[in-house]
Amino acid sequence: SQQGEEDPQALSIQEGENATMNCSYKTSINNLQWYRQNSGRGLVHLILIRSNEREKHSGRLRVTLDTSKKSSSLLITASRAADTASYFCATESGYSTLTFGKGTMLLVSP
Amino acid sequence: EPEVTQTPSHQVTQMGQEVILRCVPISNHLYFYWYRQILGQKVEFLVSFYNNEISEKSEIFDDQFSVERPDGSNFTLKIRSTKLEDSAMYFCASSGWAGGQETQYFGPGTRLLVL
Repeated sequence: SQQGEEDPQALSIQEGENATMNCSYKTSINNLQWYRQNSGRGLVHLILIRSNEREKHSGRLRVTLDTSKKSSSLLITASRAADTASYFCATESGYSTLTFGKGTMLLVSP
Repeated sequence: EPEVTQTPSHQVTQMGQEVILRCVPISNHLYFYWYRQILGQKVEFLVSFYNNEISEKSEIFDDQFSVERPDGSNFTLKIRSTKLEDSAMYFCASSGWAGGQETQYFGPGTRLLVL
């Protein structure tokens, strides 16, 4: 797989359920970031987790990082229809450029 | 809350024409970036810029591309002679620090269509 690959590619859930998205990467990283993109729109930064951190919370978001497995997960709790978007992980290594995955499309139905 | 802005939001051009995409990064940021996203594909890094010079560039950023910070606020991406395959969403981003220290904040993007 390529650097920053998310799975699943698409996820469909009901409002109120939790959504979990995973990201795997290949090379060593400085940090890993999660972004959200509504259809045809810009990228909104959600959360950054550094390579020496294992878990981070922000509101309804919980991110974990396992550097031994080179993987991260994004959990959105109590999802809402407004959470419908594509979610991307991006790894930063070397001189601060971000390498993005292909993203997970999340659909939250009312 | 400060944000990165980009103009125009949409640009349609003929193949072979030059286009300039404009960005205003967050005012106290020092590092600037351009990324692009071809429709349905992943976001790809093009170039990073610091202290009035290119810090890093990808294979995509060939001689047809150039970046400039013409004044204290604008950051531009120029495509000298556009090709059909340059059609994409172009995102500008800025950050306060490099090397794992700071979040990159993205603008809303410019959708470029080359006909």
